[in-house]
Amino acid sequence: NAGVMQNPRHLVRRRGQEARLRCSPMKGHSHVYWYRQLPEEGLKFMVYLQKENIIDESGMPKERFSAEFPKEGPSILRIQQVVRGDSAAYFCASSHEHRTPLGQYFGPGTRLTVT
Amino acid sequence: RKEVEQDPGPFNVPEGATVAFNCTYSNSASQSFFWYRQDCRKEPKLLMSVYSSGNEDGRFTAQLNRASQYISLLIRDSKLSDSATYLCVVNNTYSNYQLIWGAGTKLIIKP
Repeated sequence: NAGVMQNPRHLVRRRGQEARLRCSPMKGHSHVYWYRQLPEEGLKFMVYLQKENIIDESGMPKERFSAEFPKEGPSILRIQQVVRGDSAAYFCASSHEHRTPLGQYFGPGTRLTVT
Repeated sequence: RKEVEQDPGPFNVPEGATVAFNCTYSNSASQSFFWYRQDCRKEPKLLMSVYSSGNEDGRFTAQLNRASQYISLLIRDSKLSDSATYLCVVNNTYSNYQLIWGAGTKLIIKP
């Protein structure tokens, strides 16, 4: 039973380019959460999605960031016109139900470096 | 003031020793508390939940002090493999899926 998968694991982008991060939840999980971890900081909640719906995007920056979880395929976190401050580790977690962390399983993360 | 605060460390501890670290949280209405472990450049993994009465899992003991709003983690007979960053996590009282994460305490176990 494969766990949460994220790709790419490492992504380098120049300022102004777009970054697309993908997350495939665990089999049977329909809830996806995205977190960002800046260097030397804790994880920060960004967005919570269910299939085809954004449930809570209160942690997403208002501009340049968007997320989707289509009916088929992985969840995508898109960052347009990246800036150096976007350099961070982006973690995705999935759960079977709308639950607290005991049910959230984390992927290995995507490390974004903006040059 | 941060919602969840931790001493960043690092704590340098000889193998076999006992080490303890605390975490303070600002929202007295918080109900759920957790310790996660994060290895360098890896995803966080749930170590243990923290219950009001305190709980133990092998060499690990977690305690909650609601009056002073802190939780603690005690590691006995530390192993080299315990070297990691330990993240204190508290629930967001407005939702049952949003978590508030501390920045972590780095622990280095030396042989």
